[in-house]
Amino acid sequence: SQQGEEDPQALSIQEGENATMNCSYKTSINNLQWYRQNSGRGLVHLILIRSNEREKHSGRLRVTLDTSKKSSSLLITASRAADTASYFCATIDSWGKLQFGAGTQVVVTP
Amino acid sequence: DVKVTQSSRYLVKRTGEKVFLECVQDMDHENMFWYRQDPGLGLRLIYFSYDVKMKEKGDIPEGYSVSREKKERFSLILESASTNQTSMYLCASRTGGAETQYFGPGTRLLVL
Repeated sequence: SQQGEEDPQALSIQEGENATMNCSYKTSINNLQWYRQNSGRGLVHLILIRSNEREKHSGRLRVTLDTSKKSSSLLITASRAADTASYFCATIDSWGKLQFGAGTQVVVTP
Repeated sequence: DVKVTQSSRYLVKRTGEKVFLECVQDMDHENMFWYRQDPGLGLRLIYFSYDVKMKEKGDIPEGYSVSREKKERFSLILESASTNQTSMYLCASRTGGAETQYFGPGTRLLVL
């Protein structure tokens, strides 16, 4: 069963705008990860935020985590056409296995 | 850079055929994983392996088996392919105990 649920399912923005997507999860976590998948390709790890962190930055990415609401958000600032991809959040279960959500499909138009 | 490769990018098979999907990683990772990805369902874990000759069922193992005879190679086997196994198959690996996984490019399988 899916642990994470991303929202929205799809997002269309113009270059230079910010893109925000959210992830909700069901059980307690040690960390939450975000991955990107370009069309027809494998997933690439973007960023990991631990349960004792509230915010983390990596380049144009900003991730927040609210463990009380069991939710996380991923913000991509100043988006580029190359950011067009699907974005997935993932949590690790007690067996060390990643549980993924269904993803948010982001389209950035020039 | 970690490299995870999958034997085919696209594969077309007929119902009832035995299908082998191969995954190779070059970073001496202990753990390897097979997922399938379907629209609206995200990634679902089929099987994983913590080390050579070890295998564990994931969330959707029915209709699949796996083989891990060498550390670098993890094979997914569809004993008798069916049309509902048409999907994108993704392999991943990681160092034992690590939190992030490295993914291969995926194999898009069509079963006719």
